[in-house]
Amino acid sequence: DQQVKQNSPSLSVQEGRISILNCDYTNSMFDYFLWYKKYPAEGPTFLISISSIKDKNEDGRFTVFLNKSAKHLSLHIVPSQPGDSAVYFCAASARREYGNKLVFGAGTILRVKS
Amino acid sequence: DAGVIQSPRHEVTEMGQEVTLRCKPISGHDYLFWYRQTMMRGLELLIYFNNNVPIDDSGMPEDRFSAKMPNASFSTLKIQPSEPRDSAVYFCASSLSGRLPYEQYFGPGTRLTVT
Repeated sequence: DQQVKQNSPSLSVQEGRISILNCDYTNSMFDYFLWYKKYPAEGPTFLISISSIKDKNEDGRFTVFLNKSAKHLSLHIVPSQPGDSAVYFCAASARREYGNKLVFGAGTILRVKS
Repeated sequence: DAGVIQSPRHEVTEMGQEVTLRCKPISGHDYLFWYRQTMMRGLELLIYFNNNVPIDDSGMPEDRFSAKMPNASFSTLKIQPSEPRDSAVYFCASSLSGRLPYEQYFGPGTRLTVT
């Protein structure tokens, strides 16, 4: 049973527009959420995170929104750039239950067209 | 710092052969994770260690898979015997306990092909 779901396998966006990547989770024990970005032939790299006590975290062009009641988070990229084309993984942590373990979604491929 | 180092980067082997993947975590990190990435299942956690001790191996597919961490700077993931369905990219990651945001640092991965 997948506890973290990324239901959109891929997303295509025009350069300069907003990219919105979505993630849903089922475990109410999750208290920290992260987004990772992965380029081909490389390992995933950390992008941005949010604690469950917040509903928004912003870092430059990247903003993550958390809706705890809906068990939903999203990553907004504004404006999107061709270099943002990558696979984006959503991950969740429940420290009391899992320690430092992260549970990852299946990923969403983002293509930014120039 | 060199980051997480994995070897080999690519491995092609025949069904039935033993495969050993290697990982050197970032110095000072006390957690080490092994993941497998496939198109169907995304990024799956296989096993993780804390201070060289296996904590959770519930993601290991079957007895053909085994992992060891003999010291803080080295870990192996072994598949014996290998099967074509084991073909995937295997990642090693490390992290430091008590440090938000529980960020894990990934190696470049080993692409395994079993024919």
